[in-house]
This record gives sequence, C-alpha cells and structure tokens, in this order.
Amino acid sequence: AQKITQTQPGMFVQEKEAVTLDCTYDTSDPSYGLFWYKQPSSGEMIFLIYQGSYDQQNATEGRYSLNFQKARKSANLVISASQLGDSAMYFCAMREGPVGASKIIFGSGTRLSIRP
Amino acid sequence: DTGVSQDPRHKITKRGQNVTFRCDPISEHNRLYWYRQTLGQGPEFLTYFQNEAQLEKSRLLSDRFSAERPKGSFSTLEIQRTEQGDSAMYLCASSLGLETDTQYFGPGTRLTVL
Repeated sequence: AQKITQTQPGMFVQEKEAVTLDCTYDTSDPSYGLFWYKQPSSGEMIFLIYQGSYDQQNATEGRYSLNFQKARKSANLVISASQLGDSAMYFCAMREGPVGASKIIFGSGTRLSIRP
Repeated sequence: DTGVSQDPRHKITKRGQNVTFRCDPISEHNRLYWYRQTLGQGPEFLTYFQNEAQLEKSRLLSDRFSAERPKGSFSTLEIQRTEQGDSAMYLCASSLGLETDTQYFGPGTRLTVL
C-alpha cells in the first residue's frame, strides 16, 4: 500500500488564485511528521512546510498553509495568491515515527503550472 | 550559512564504469541522507548517517553501491559497475536531528549511464 498518495498528477491554476494540492497518508504510528517540498525544473528540493502529528494547529509559512485533517489522514497544501514562480513539482512526504526517525517517504508529486 | 552542496552536478558514464559522488552537508548538521529520484517519481531513500555511522540502508542499495562519511562531515556515494538502470538523480540531504528534524536537500547529481 502507498504510504503517501498524491492523486493530482498535474494542475493548472490562474495567477493570483489560491490552489490546494492534495495529499493523503497511511501510517499506524501515532507519532509522525508531514512535509511539503517544492522541486523546480532546476531539480533542487526546497522545503516548504512541516506539520507534526501532535501539533494542534495547522502549520503556516507565508503563503503556504497545511490543511491537516488527522482523522482523514489528509495533509493538503494550500498556496494563497499563486505566482508564476510557484510553477514546479510539489511533493508531500512523511516521517514515520518521532523526531529522530530516519528516512522520509515521498509521494509521486503534483506538477503545478501557473498561467499568467 | 551555505546549504547542502553536491559534486558533480552531472555525470555521464559508460556502462560498467565506477562513479563517485560527493555531498557536503550544512555545517552543523550531524545527519546525512542519500536518496535516488527517477523521472516522474518522488525521491526514494537509500541510506542515512548519524555523524560517521551508517545507521540504515535501503534494500535499494545493492552491493554495487557503497556510501561513506569518514569524518562525520562530507559523504561519498560510489556506484561500481554502473548499469543503465542506475541512471537517476542522486540527492543528498542533511538535518540537525532536533525539533522537526527537517531534511534540507542539495541540488543533486544527475547520472546518465550510456
């Protein structure tokens, strides 16, 4: 079974609109962390935002927010007021276990294209 | 504060040759990770170091692959007798091991095996 599922292979959004990228995860561990990374065409993975499983509030970082619905095992990324520079691949990822556990598991990504 | 650096950025080699990649983590980070990413996929975990100790290896890391972090600073990933299936982006990441333990990635080394 997939640990991280991103069901949107590609999305097109008009500049300045908000966009939601979907992510669902599967784990039986009560302690875990969820990450979103951006990968532009240059290839580098850029960290965007983090949500811990015990965090009471949804994480926010500038124009990025994470809509964390624990019961649904959902961790959608919301980008407000999209910009042309937001065009990239976006990966949802999960660390199973508490801080200190090693690897993170990535989804297959969503390619976001912003239209001017 | 410099980020994670990787060298080379691109490597083209012939099947059967050996290749070695280098990763320099963020200076105060004691954890270092290697991932492999093929076209259209998310990165897949290969191995992980805490300081100089290699603590976990994926089953993806065949016996042709070896990684070292001799002094707990930079790391090398060597692939012996390369195969066309080894063609991929090899990503290195580092983390502090504290708080969220967020992994910060380097620009990657793109390997093409002809």
